[in-house]
Amino acid sequence: EAGVTQFPSHSVIEKGQTVTLRCDPISGHDNLYWYRRVMGKEIKFLLHFVKESKQDESGMPNNRFLAERTGGTYSTLKVQPAELEDSGVYFCASSQVDRDNTIYFGEGSWLTVV
Amino acid sequence: AQSVTQLGSHVSVSEGALVLLRCNYSSSVPPYLFWYVQYPNQGLQLLLKYTSAATLVKGINGFEAEFKKSETSFHLTKPSAHMSDAAEYFCAVGRKRNQGGKLIFGQGTELSVKP
Repeated sequence: EAGVTQFPSHSVIEKGQTVTLRCDPISGHDNLYWYRRVMGKEIKFLLHFVKESKQDESGMPNNRFLAERTGGTYSTLKVQPAELEDSGVYFCASSQVDRDNTIYFGEGSWLTVV
Repeated sequence: AQSVTQLGSHVSVSEGALVLLRCNYSSSVPPYLFWYVQYPNQGLQLLLKYTSAATLVKGINGFEAEFKKSETSFHLTKPSAHMSDAAEYFCAVGRKRNQGGKLIFGQGTELSVKP
């Protein structure tokens, strides 16, 4: 069974540009999460989808961040325009509620804004 | 509200020595507790989890953790460290499965293993 996959694994962009991160959850997982870790800080929750609906987006830092989940399958996280403080690792994770709700993480998308 | 505190951002042990990584939590509801590990240049891997069954939880790679409600702790241990255990370890707290799966992470503890 394939795990959570994220693309790109690494991205370097200039301040002011746009970046779109993609996440494919484990097949059959209705819950999809985005987290991020900026340099030296703890991993922080960004938002939670249940299928295609946003269940909780309390962690989204500002309106430069836009997350979507088309048809309840893969998800994208767009940062527009990117700022220096957006640099960090963006993790996607998924889980299925009718199991034990263990959350499985992807390998992360490492974003550097210069 | 929930929170997690990991005591010690860096821990160094000798190969073969006991590994003890400390985690204390705060939760207004019965918690689910997790330890994740991140090896260099890799993603987060689940080591073990506590979901209100046995208080002593065994995970992968010889790690285990004990849930102590009276001490609000969930410390991670391994009897004998191996060089391959060098990584960053994260403790996290969540809610029961019917209350959503959002996790609150601690600051992380980087484990170094000396030969």
